Amino acid sequence: DGGITQSPKYLFRKEGQNVTLSCEQNLNHDAMYWYRQDPGQGLRLIYYSQIVNDFQKGDIAEGYSVSREKKESFPLTVTSAQKNPTAFYLCASSPQGKVGYTFGSGTRLTVV
Amino acid sequence: GENVEQHPSTLSVQEGDSAVIKCTYSDSASNYFPWYKQELGKRPQLIIDIRSNVGEKKDQRIAVTLNKTAKHFSLHITETQPEDSAVYFCASLTGGGNKLTFGTGTQLKVEL
Repeated sequence: DGGITQSPKYLFRKEGQNVTLSCEQNLNHDAMYWYRQDPGQGLRLIYYSQIVNDFQKGDIAEGYSVSREKKESFPLTVTSAQKNPTAFYLCASSPQGKVGYTFGSGTRLTVV
Repeated sequence: GENVEQHPSTLSVQEGDSAVIKCTYSDSASNYFPWYKQELGKRPQLIIDIRSNVGEKKDQRIAVTLNKTAKHFSLHITETQPEDSAVYFCASLTGGGNKLTFGTGTQLKVEL
């Protein structure tokens, strides 16, 4: 489905729990990104990775962690330190040195 | 860092009318400006983009204009149709990291 797959589509988390959102791409893209989307606030960058085993914080990294052990995968962990995790999370990828994001279909996380 | 402002936040037009969405950016080094369309619950899709060495670009009913001096760019949709109803995001790309900074989005509603 568009070469980049996010799972699950919906996720419910109890307060105090860590949860991990999956993002997998088969586009052979070097760079991958995680954005958070809240109503009226657009897309805000959480973390990004330009190459395997390397990643950088975005604008709102607090309470989140990532890993990039494989080129195809860029999982996002929402930790209990994230005070307001309920949001729509979008993963994207792009070829290195080129513009043009491909987005995944998103994961909607709800804290219950 | 880069800051992108987008206006209006909501826009309602009659079918067949034109719609204009405007964005301003802060970093004069920004050199790439894409526009994304997001239908409810779906992933953002790139609809048109423009680079800093071009002043205008058209693709059928959609056009984008860029004023580098004033640091603003606009999306123009002519002969709007109900299927144009969606949230539209502008974005800008600055320097290294291939990171996009997004505007806060415009909810466009095309009424019959």
